[in-house]
Amino acid sequence: DGGITQSPKYLFRKEGQNVTLSCEQNLNHDAMYWYRQDPGQGLRLIYYSQIVNDFQKGDIAEGYSVSREKKESFPLTVTSAQKNPTAFYLCASRLAGGPHNEQFFGPGTRLTVL
Amino acid sequence: AQSVTQLGSHVSVSEGALVLLRCNYSSSVPPYLFWYVQYPNQGLQLLLKYTSAATLVKGINGFEAEFKKSETSFHLTKPSAHMSDAAEYFCAVSGKNTDKLIFGTGTRLQVFP
Repeated sequence: DGGITQSPKYLFRKEGQNVTLSCEQNLNHDAMYWYRQDPGQGLRLIYYSQIVNDFQKGDIAEGYSVSREKKESFPLTVTSAQKNPTAFYLCASRLAGGPHNEQFFGPGTRLTVL
Repeated sequence: AQSVTQLGSHVSVSEGALVLLRCNYSSSVPPYLFWYVQYPNQGLQLLLKYTSAATLVKGINGFEAEFKKSETSFHLTKPSAHMSDAAEYFCAVSGKNTDKLIFGTGTRLQVFP
């Protein structure tokens, strides 16, 4: 089955630690996205990538980093510089070809800082 | 700049009643509009999308939405609510020459027996 996988489902981190969230897709989509979701705030874009080895900052990139070494993978690192990292993180992908193409979402990773 | 406003962060209906979730958009170019649904602790699933082909769009699970340019609206409706419709619903907009979606803040739908 084609889709997007995110791991782990739940993640706990101590303050001051970096942590990497995994996102893999087998849909052969060109673009991939990372969002952060907080209650009452909807989805906010962290980073996105349209092609391998290239990515752009979204609206809230500070304290986060990404890489896009392979088309199917787009890991997100939450660094110790992110002041309030506890949130639900969603990865998405989209087929190139126009803005009418919808984004497909993974199941999400819930990160809790202890 | 594009934006989306969802009126009402919480909507409650009785089972069998009409569901109406409101979405208004702002866009300087013809928009593409999307409705997504999210169940607790899960990702988002596409309900339906408007891509300028037809103003009345039918989606999954009996939902539909009507694009009204004069009102800059794309409200989501379902004639008869079911308990399984309880979830959070997000409206989103994208325009030409952009790879990004702009999301509303979401509306949580509760369905009472």
